[in-house]
Amino acid sequence: DAGVIQSPRHEVTEMGQEVTLRCKPISGHNSLFWYRQTMMRGLELLIYFNNNVPIDDSGMPEDRFSAKMPNASFSTLKIQPSEPRDSAVYFCASSPAGGETQYFGPGTRLLVL
Amino acid sequence: SQQGEEDPQALSIQEGENATMNCSYKTSINNLQWYRQNSGRGLVHLILIRSNEREKHSGRLRVTLDTSKKSSSLLITASRAADTASYFCATEEGAQKLVFGQGTRLTINP
Repeated sequence: DAGVIQSPRHEVTEMGQEVTLRCKPISGHNSLFWYRQTMMRGLELLIYFNNNVPIDDSGMPEDRFSAKMPNASFSTLKIQPSEPRDSAVYFCASSPAGGETQYFGPGTRLLVL
Repeated sequence: SQQGEEDPQALSIQEGENATMNCSYKTSINNLQWYRQNSGRGLVHLILIRSNEREKHSGRLRVTLDTSKKSSSLLITASRAADTASYFCATEEGAQKLVFGQGTRLTINP
């Protein structure tokens, strides 16, 4: 079975550009999570969805970040405009209904120059 | 907020030895989980221990939980080169919202 799929795997962009990260959760999972991992701050939860509805976005750093989940099999995390301090690895994870464990994708390594 | 803190930050041992990592947390929990992250990869769930459990085993993994001390330990027995990875503990902060520690970076030397 396919796990969580993220694209792109690597992204290099220039400051000020828009960046869109994509995630396809495991089929049948109804919770989706976006995380950011940096050396300084570790793994931080940005936002999570249940049944395509955002439940907690308190981790979203600022208005430059937005996330959507238009259907059960697709989510996007957008950064506009991007800044060098956004450079990090962004992970998407999913979980089944009532599940306590999360299944992580391979991550997107973002570098903003 | 950061709930779990792992100790040590880095650990280097010889293949075949046992590796022990510790996690401390701050508030009451329903369960505590351990995840592994290989370099350049996503996190993989290893084991979950509930607050009413004191010890749990899975293959070469042994997890203990002491709720009175708000601490947990992960023991990997008979380590292998493939165990080289970072290990994170995670606790729930509200429904399904996991908070991860900074991790222990484990290196197994051949």
